[in-house]
Amino acid sequence: TQLLEQSPQFLSIQEGENLTVYCNSSSVFSSLQWYRQEPGEGPVLLVTVVTGGEVKKLKRLTFQFGDARKDSSLHITAAQPGDTGLYLCAGALHAGGTSYGKLTFGQGTILTVHP
Amino acid sequence: KAGVTQTPRYLIKTRGQQVTLSCSPISGHRSVSWYQQTPGQGLQFLFEYFSETQRNKGNFPGRFSGRQFSNSRSEMNVSTLELGDSALYLCASSLARLAGGPYNEQFFGPGTRLTVL
Repeated sequence: TQLLEQSPQFLSIQEGENLTVYCNSSSVFSSLQWYRQEPGEGPVLLVTVVTGGEVKKLKRLTFQFGDARKDSSLHITAAQPGDTGLYLCAGALHAGGTSYGKLTFGQGTILTVHP
Repeated sequence: KAGVTQTPRYLIKTRGQQVTLSCSPISGHRSVSWYQQTPGQGLQFLFEYFSETQRNKGNFPGRFSGRQFSNSRSEMNVSTLELGDSALYLCASSLARLAGGPYNEQFFGPGTRLTVL
């Protein structure tokens, strides 16, 4: 059972289109992070959201944390070929010692933006 | 500030051998977490070390072990390698001290690609 359900798994769009990636769970997270990963490299941190209802913007990327801190979304406006990559959401559970240093990852969304 | 470094970047081993991977965290970070990434399972948590102590461990067999040194550098070891151990092994460092705290942002290294033949 996947603790963090990420959708869609694959997304192929044209340059200039908008898109949204979703990350959902039945568990409450103390924080949630979004990463982008290129092939053969480690994930690069894009943003961390901590407060329920929080919205953060990073240029054309908008990140939202659900009010109940169980879900999050990543919205990209006017996608560009340079946005192509694997997008991962990862949550830190607020569950005492069993959560030390542990991020629970979604399955990832492979985004391809065609010129 | 230098990022997380991992060595080696690539390794090829045969079944039954053992392997040691190294990770140097960002300066000042005392927590190091290790993950295994495969196409089928995604990123799976292996274990976390803080101040030379293992504080948390994922659901991996005892063949997977690790340690952390006084300078926060960490190593992980896999003994008796199996074909299914082929994966990208990632380490991440963090300032985090408290479980589930808001400052547990993790910064990843480039990974070590392990291939078991």
